[in-house]
Amino acid sequence: DIQMTQSPSSLSVSLGDNVTFTCEASENIYGFLAWYQQKLGKAPKLLIYGATNLEDGVPTRFSGSGSWTNYSLTISSLEPEDIATYYCQNNHVYPPTFGAGTKLELK
Amino acid sequence: EVQLQQSGPELQRPGASVKLSCKASGYTFTEYYMYWVKQRPKQGLELIGRIDPEDCSTDYVEKFKNKATLTADTSSNTAYMQLSSLTSEDTATYFCARGYNSGYPMDAWGQGASVTVSS
Repeated sequence: DIQMTQSPSSLSVSLGDNVTFTCEASENIYGFLAWYQQKLGKAPKLLIYGATNLEDGVPTRFSGSGSWTNYSLTISSLEPEDIATYYCQNNHVYPPTFGAGTKLELK
Repeated sequence: EVQLQQSGPELQRPGASVKLSCKASGYTFTEYYMYWVKQRPKQGLELIGRIDPEDCSTDYVEKFKNKATLTADTSSNTAYMQLSSLTSEDTATYFCARGYNSGYPMDAWGQGASVTVSS
């Protein structure tokens, strides 16, 4: 199975910050990378697929980049509703493995 | 509107079995895989497996092969997951999520079903 490593595991942030966190796959996943947002007590929500494509309805302050094994998610000008845990996921091969998550916390 | 409506919370004794449901609406049930994902308290997301409702073929992550059984009923557009021989390690929230095919993300999720295993 492809291993997905996210860093950092948690991040202390302030509203208005530009925030970037990363995800590394154990092998090339050819851009088949998704990002999910999970708020406390809720189901995950798809934000980005294919490494860079914004899901319908997701604010444009979210953006994804990367290729091969290294990917990142950037949130520009952090809003209060962005406080959540973010997971990356390999969609290249089955099983679609998740990273351990990056949890955003307010300073 | 695509919706996945999951069954309610369960409290079960160790050694028991439980069957969770996930009723799909707003799309053609047989055109998407249904995945099941486990999340233990304050932990990350862990894939259990998936079912193709068109032919009921299944793929399981190895560690869940003797724990979970996935089924689907196309007459009611409902996917099911049975968990057997429950232990405290099975205490978790379980999500169903649809995915179009391999290579595609999980673009719609159920609200989650809590399972608590306690004597």
